[in-house]
Amino acid sequence: EIVMTQSPATLSVSPGERATLSCRASQSVSSNLAWYQQKPGQAPRLLIYGASTRATGIPARFSGSGSGTEFTLTISSLQSEDFAVYYCQQYNNWPPGIFTFGPGTKVDIK
Amino acid sequence: EVQLVQSGAEVKKPGESLKISCKGSGYSFTSYWIGWVRQMPGKGLEWMGIIYPGDSDTRYSPSFQGQVTISADKSISTAYLQWSSLKASDTAMYYCVRLGDQGFDYWGQGTLVTVSS
Repeated sequence: EIVMTQSPATLSVSPGERATLSCRASQSVSSNLAWYQQKPGQAPRLLIYGASTRATGIPARFSGSGSGTEFTLTISSLQSEDFAVYYCQQYNNWPPGIFTFGPGTKVDIK
Repeated sequence: EVQLVQSGAEVKKPGESLKISCKGSGYSFTSYWIGWVRQMPGKGLEWMGIIYPGDSDTRYSPSFQGQVTISADKSISTAYLQWSSLKASDTAMYYCVRLGDQGFDYWGQGTLVTVSS
Protein backbone atom coordinates (compact mmCIF):
# COMPACT_ATOMS: atom_id res chain seq x y z
CA GLU A 1 0.00 0.00 0.00
CA ILE A 2 1.28 3.45 -0.93
CA VAL A 3 1.77 5.76 2.06
CA MET A 4 1.63 9.52 1.60
CA THR A 5 3.43 11.95 3.88
CA GLN A 6 3.21 15.75 3.93
CA SER A 7 5.46 18.39 5.38
CA PRO A 8 5.38 20.53 7.30
CA ALA A 9 2.35 19.67 9.42
CA THR A 10 1.73 23.38 9.96
CA LEU A 11 3.04 26.30 7.93
CA SER A 12 2.75 29.83 9.27
CA VAL A 13 2.81 32.42 6.51
CA SER A 14 2.06 36.13 6.27
CA PRO A 15 -0.48 37.33 3.69
CA GLY A 16 1.24 38.10 0.41
CA GLU A 17 4.08 35.68 1.06
CA ARG A 18 4.83 32.49 -0.83
CA ALA A 19 3.93 29.11 0.63
CA THR A 20 5.57 25.84 -0.38
CA LEU A 21 3.99 22.56 0.71
CA SER A 22 5.55 19.15 0.19
CA CYS A 23 4.07 15.72 -0.39
CA ARG A 24 5.98 12.46 -0.64
CA ALA A 25 4.83 9.01 -1.75
CA SER A 26 6.36 5.79 -0.40
CA GLN A 27 6.71 4.55 -3.97
CA SER A 28 6.35 6.12 -7.37
CA VAL A 29 2.89 7.35 -8.32
CA SER A 30 4.07 8.88 -11.59
CA SER A 31 2.03 12.08 -12.02
CA ASN A 32 -1.11 10.59 -10.51
CA LEU A 33 -1.36 13.09 -7.72
CA ALA A 34 -3.98 15.65 -6.72
CA TRP A 35 -4.13 18.47 -4.19
CA TYR A 36 -7.22 19.53 -2.24
CA GLN A 37 -7.98 22.51 -0.05
CA GLN A 38 -10.28 22.30 2.95
CA LYS A 39 -11.50 25.26 4.96
CA PRO A 40 -13.10 24.85 8.39
CA GLY A 41 -16.64 23.57 8.20
CA GLN A 42 -16.46 23.00 4.45
CA ALA A 43 -16.00 20.07 2.13
CA PRO A 44 -12.63 19.79 0.42
CA ARG A 45 -12.10 21.38 -3.00
CA LEU A 46 -9.97 20.02 -5.83
CA LEU A 47 -7.07 22.36 -6.67
CA ILE A 48 -4.59 20.39 -8.77
CA TYR A 49 -4.70 17.08 -10.63
CA GLY A 50 -2.12 15.25 -12.67
CA ALA A 51 0.46 16.77 -10.28
CA SER A 52 0.51 20.11 -12.07
CA THR A 53 -2.80 20.93 -13.79
CA ARG A 54 -5.10 23.40 -12.09
CA ALA A 55 -8.71 22.33 -11.77
CA THR A 56 -11.44 24.46 -13.29
CA GLY A 57 -11.73 27.86 -11.64
CA ILE A 58 -8.59 27.59 -9.52
CA PRO A 59 -6.54 30.82 -9.44
CA ALA A 60 -3.15 30.92 -11.12
CA ARG A 61 -1.39 31.59 -7.80
CA PHE A 62 -1.76 27.87 -7.10
CA SER A 63 0.75 25.65 -8.87
CA GLY A 64 1.80 22.05 -8.54
CA SER A 65 4.97 20.29 -9.54
CA GLY A 66 6.80 17.01 -9.20
CA SER A 67 6.53 13.41 -10.30
CA GLY A 68 7.42 9.99 -9.01
CA THR A 69 7.64 10.34 -5.24
CA GLU A 70 8.20 14.05 -4.58
CA PHE A 71 5.59 16.73 -5.12
CA THR A 72 5.14 20.39 -4.28
CA LEU A 73 2.18 22.73 -4.05
CA THR A 74 3.12 26.39 -4.25
CA ILE A 75 0.87 29.31 -3.44
CA SER A 76 2.68 32.28 -4.91
CA SER A 77 1.11 35.09 -2.84
CA LEU A 78 -1.13 34.01 -0.03
CA GLN A 79 -4.55 35.62 0.16
CA SER A 80 -6.71 35.62 3.27
CA GLU A 81 -8.98 32.97 1.76
CA ASP A 82 -6.04 30.58 1.26
CA PHE A 83 -5.55 29.85 4.94
CA ALA A 84 -6.77 26.27 5.13
CA VAL A 85 -5.65 22.65 5.28
CA TYR A 86 -4.15 21.14 2.13
CA TYR A 87 -4.16 17.44 1.33
CA CYS A 88 -2.36 15.54 -1.37
CA GLN A 89 -3.86 12.34 -2.79
CA GLN A 90 -2.42 9.65 -5.01
CA TYR A 91 -4.47 7.72 -7.53
CA ASN A 92 -1.82 5.58 -9.15
CA ASN A 93 -2.92 2.30 -10.71
CA TRP A 94 -6.51 3.50 -10.98
CA PRO A 95 -8.39 1.57 -12.10
CA PRO A 96 -8.48 -0.76 -10.27
CA GLY A 97 -6.18 0.65 -7.62
CA ILE A 98 -7.06 2.67 -4.55
CA PHE A 99 -6.74 6.29 -3.53
CA THR A 100 -4.67 7.49 -0.58
CA PHE A 101 -4.66 10.90 1.08
CA GLY A 102 -1.74 12.47 2.86
CA PRO A 103 -2.22 13.67 6.46
CA GLY A 104 -2.51 17.31 5.44
CA THR A 105 -0.65 20.59 5.93
CA LYS A 106 -2.36 23.41 7.77
CA VAL A 107 -1.51 26.86 6.46
CA ASP A 108 -2.18 29.47 9.09
CA ILE A 109 -1.59 33.16 9.52
CA LYS A 110 1.80 34.22 10.84
CA GLU B 1 -25.06 22.47 -12.28
CA VAL B 2 -23.49 19.35 -10.82
CA GLN B 3 -24.63 18.71 -7.27
CA LEU B 4 -24.21 15.95 -4.73
CA VAL B 5 -26.73 16.31 -1.91
CA GLN B 6 -26.28 14.13 1.13
CA SER B 7 -28.77 13.04 3.75
CA GLY B 8 -28.89 14.77 7.11
CA ALA B 9 -26.99 14.26 10.32
CA GLU B 10 -27.58 11.07 12.28
CA VAL B 11 -27.28 10.19 15.96
CA LYS B 12 -27.17 6.46 16.63
CA LYS B 13 -26.33 4.02 19.39
CA PRO B 14 -23.57 1.42 19.17
CA GLY B 15 -24.79 -1.73 17.47
CA GLU B 16 -27.46 0.03 15.41
CA SER B 17 -27.53 -0.03 11.64
CA LEU B 18 -27.42 3.01 9.37
CA LYS B 19 -27.64 3.90 5.70
CA ILE B 20 -26.76 7.38 4.49
CA SER B 21 -27.35 8.67 0.99
CA CYS B 22 -25.90 10.92 -1.69
CA LYS B 23 -28.10 12.11 -4.56
CA GLY B 24 -26.44 13.30 -7.74
CA SER B 25 -27.92 15.77 -10.18
CA GLY B 26 -26.87 17.91 -13.10
CA TYR B 27 -24.88 15.18 -14.85
CA SER B 28 -25.17 11.59 -16.05
CA PHE B 29 -25.14 9.73 -12.73
CA THR B 30 -24.37 6.37 -14.33
CA SER B 31 -21.25 7.65 -16.10
CA TYR B 32 -19.09 8.67 -13.14
CA TRP B 33 -17.71 6.82 -10.15
CA ILE B 34 -18.97 7.99 -6.73
CA GLY B 35 -16.67 7.63 -3.75
CA TRP B 36 -16.99 7.99 0.00
CA VAL B 37 -14.49 9.76 2.26
CA ARG B 38 -14.37 9.70 6.05
CA GLN B 39 -13.15 12.52 8.24
CA MET B 40 -13.01 11.79 11.93
CA PRO B 41 -13.26 14.76 14.31
CA GLY B 42 -10.21 16.99 13.94
CA LYS B 43 -8.51 14.51 11.61
CA GLY B 44 -7.64 14.12 7.94
CA LEU B 45 -9.36 12.57 4.96
CA GLU B 46 -9.62 8.80 4.47
CA TRP B 47 -10.82 7.22 1.24
CA MET B 48 -13.30 4.44 1.99
CA GLY B 49 -14.43 3.08 -1.33
CA ILE B 50 -16.01 3.85 -4.66
CA ILE B 51 -18.85 2.63 -6.88
CA TYR B 52 -19.71 2.93 -10.54
CA PRO B 53 -23.49 3.36 -10.60
CA GLY B 54 -23.69 2.24 -14.21
CA ASP B 55 -22.92 -1.37 -13.32
CA SER B 56 -22.47 -1.24 -9.51
CA ASP B 57 -18.78 -2.16 -9.77
CA THR B 58 -17.50 -1.39 -6.25
CA ARG B 59 -14.00 -1.10 -4.81
CA TYR B 60 -13.08 -0.71 -1.16
CA SER B 61 -10.06 0.56 0.69
CA PRO B 62 -8.52 -2.37 2.58
CA SER B 63 -9.10 -0.38 5.77
CA PHE B 64 -12.86 -0.36 5.21
CA GLN B 65 -13.45 -3.67 3.43
CA GLY B 66 -16.00 -5.63 5.44
CA GLN B 67 -16.77 -2.66 7.69
CA VAL B 68 -19.18 -0.81 5.40
CA THR B 69 -21.23 -1.47 2.28
CA ILE B 70 -21.41 0.90 -0.66
CA SER B 71 -24.32 0.65 -3.07
CA ALA B 72 -26.21 2.72 -5.61
CA ASP B 73 -29.68 2.96 -7.11
CA LYS B 74 -29.25 4.41 -10.56
CA SER B 75 -33.01 4.78 -11.04
CA ILE B 76 -32.99 7.59 -8.47
CA SER B 77 -29.36 8.74 -8.98
CA THR B 78 -28.44 7.95 -5.41
CA ALA B 79 -25.43 6.29 -3.80
CA TYR B 80 -25.41 4.84 -0.31
CA LEU B 81 -23.03 4.05 2.50
CA GLN B 82 -24.25 1.66 5.15
CA TRP B 83 -23.23 0.02 8.38
CA SER B 84 -24.79 -3.10 9.91
CA SER B 85 -23.49 -2.49 13.42
CA LEU B 86 -22.14 0.91 14.31
CA LYS B 87 -19.30 1.53 16.73
CA ALA B 88 -18.37 4.68 18.60
CA SER B 89 -15.29 4.89 16.37
CA ASP B 90 -17.58 5.37 13.35
CA THR B 91 -18.33 8.88 14.62
CA ALA B 92 -17.21 11.13 11.78
CA MET B 93 -18.18 13.34 8.88
CA TYR B 94 -18.74 11.35 5.71
CA TYR B 95 -18.46 12.94 2.28
CA CYS B 96 -19.55 11.55 -1.04
CA VAL B 97 -17.50 12.67 -4.01
CA ARG B 98 -17.63 12.35 -7.78
CA LEU B 99 -14.60 11.03 -9.61
CA GLY B 100 -14.48 13.22 -12.69
CA ASP B 101 -11.96 13.63 -15.45
CA GLN B 102 -9.95 15.94 -13.20
CA GLY B 103 -10.10 13.88 -10.00
CA PHE B 104 -12.54 14.13 -7.13
CA ASP B 105 -14.14 17.21 -8.62
CA TYR B 106 -17.50 17.53 -6.84
CA TRP B 107 -18.13 16.88 -3.17
CA GLY B 108 -21.31 16.51 -1.16
CA GLN B 109 -21.87 18.76 1.82
CA GLY B 110 -21.10 15.95 4.24
CA THR B 111 -23.16 13.85 6.63
CA LEU B 112 -22.22 13.91 10.30
CA VAL B 113 -22.68 10.55 11.98
CA THR B 114 -22.52 10.45 15.76
CA VAL B 115 -22.48 7.11 17.54
CA SER B 116 -22.92 7.32 21.27
CA SER B 117 -24.60 5.36 24.01
